[in-house]
Amino acid sequence: EVTLVQSGAEVKKPGESLKISCQASGYGFANYWIGWVRQTPGQGLEWMGIMYPAGSTTHYSPSFQGRVTMSVDKSIGAAYLQWSSLEASDTAMYYCARREYFNTPLDPWGQGTLVTVSS
Amino acid sequence: DIPMTQSPSSLSASVGDSVTITCRASQSVDRWLAWYQQRPGKAPKLLIYATSSLHTGVPSRFSGSRSGTDFTLTIRSLQPDDFATYYCQQANGFPYTFGPGTRLEIK
Repeated sequence: EVTLVQSGAEVKKPGESLKISCQASGYGFANYWIGWVRQTPGQGLEWMGIMYPAGSTTHYSPSFQGRVTMSVDKSIGAAYLQWSSLEASDTAMYYCARREYFNTPLDPWGQGTLVTVSS
Repeated sequence: DIPMTQSPSSLSASVGDSVTITCRASQSVDRWLAWYQQRPGKAPKLLIYATSSLHTGVPSRFSGSRSGTDFTLTIRSLQPDDFATYYCQQANGFPYTFGPGTRLEIK
């Protein structure tokens, strides 16, 4: 079974750094894209970016370019999303999800990581 | 970016009813449109991809269609589990933008 398990909820202060993880299992991690989606409280879904582990290719949404960094560790089948300096507006639920190839949807999704940024 | 719109933003229906949700792309996305269902407190789940292909395990009560840049999700014979929020997403070009969502509530 293909599963994505995300790291637990985080509470951080503005200006702090953070790295959340997405652990994949049940498939060949390197050959499938991993995407990240943000959902702010009570709001809709925002596509942040996507990464291809085998070639380390990344595509960021312009809205998130420069604000977050996606990375992977192919040796353990994990994807990461990190911030160098959090802002209160980064408070949201973050989901990772797998994509097979171009034009295909995101499936499956991780359970989500809630990030709260508050002073 | 390819902005996506959805209508209605919310609707009320009863168990057994049929409903249709519309998603419009601001430019052509070909047939690369997916629908997701999100229940409160849960991650989204894929329902339909490539306009009308049903994801594995999704009941046949769900169907999708397209007319140009307009896409529809139809749910026939609503069941209690179907009351959730539905999002469309284009997968034609980066960034893969989502629609704002349609909240389906029980009447």
